[in-house]
Amino acid sequence: GAGVSQSPSNKVTEKGKDVELRCDPISGHTALYWYRQSLGQGLEFLIYFQGNSAPDKSGLPSDRFSAERTGGSVSTLTIQRTQQEDSAVYLCASSLRTGMNTEAFFGQGTRLTVV
Amino acid sequence: DAKTTQPNSMESNEEEPVHLPCNHSTISGTDYIHWYRQLPSQGPEYVIHGLTSNVNNRMASLAIAEDRKSSTLILHRATLRDAAVYYCILEETSGSRLTFGEGTQLTVNP
Repeated sequence: GAGVSQSPSNKVTEKGKDVELRCDPISGHTALYWYRQSLGQGLEFLIYFQGNSAPDKSGLPSDRFSAERTGGSVSTLTIQRTQQEDSAVYLCASSLRTGMNTEAFFGQGTRLTVV
Repeated sequence: DAKTTQPNSMESNEEEPVHLPCNHSTISGTDYIHWYRQLPSQGPEYVIHGLTSNVNNRMASLAIAEDRKSSTLILHRATLRDAAVYYCILEETSGSRLTFGEGTQLTVNP
């Protein structure tokens, strides 16, 4: 596709269940980012990948959150034992490379609701 | 992370120019200034970026102060579709992320 694709677009899960969120970046983009946005709030950085490596995981809020990227392409964000405070829109972005002078392209996000 | 300061909200009338200010007094010499916007229920969208010189593209213009401690995003003729939250972001040379602040909610009146 032409842009960053995220799936599912919406996910409702019960508290305590695990969820996986998927991101398909733009082909050829080596950098991939995950953010989350709670209702009415700004974007909170979670993790960044350069290729398959994650040099910056500093934004992951707890050890229930993990992410991986395979083949320098698709990334999966996993949240274990979900809590109600995990409810948010999870946004993925990709760019040609990290560092200055690059444009990041965002997906439409996955809206996660934990009930 | 370098910090930016923007007004919480601004209003404009359709077809009039809009000047969205941003202060970044702690900017370092190699930080790029980026602007993104987020329309309702969508992911952020790139608008423009620059380092020292003013920049123009099909969406907007970016005016950067000579001391680089502030910048202004200029929408030359606002449309209703420009109503969004506009984020001014510093991309640091040593960083690997775009750090979003609270942004400016732009309302465009018909």
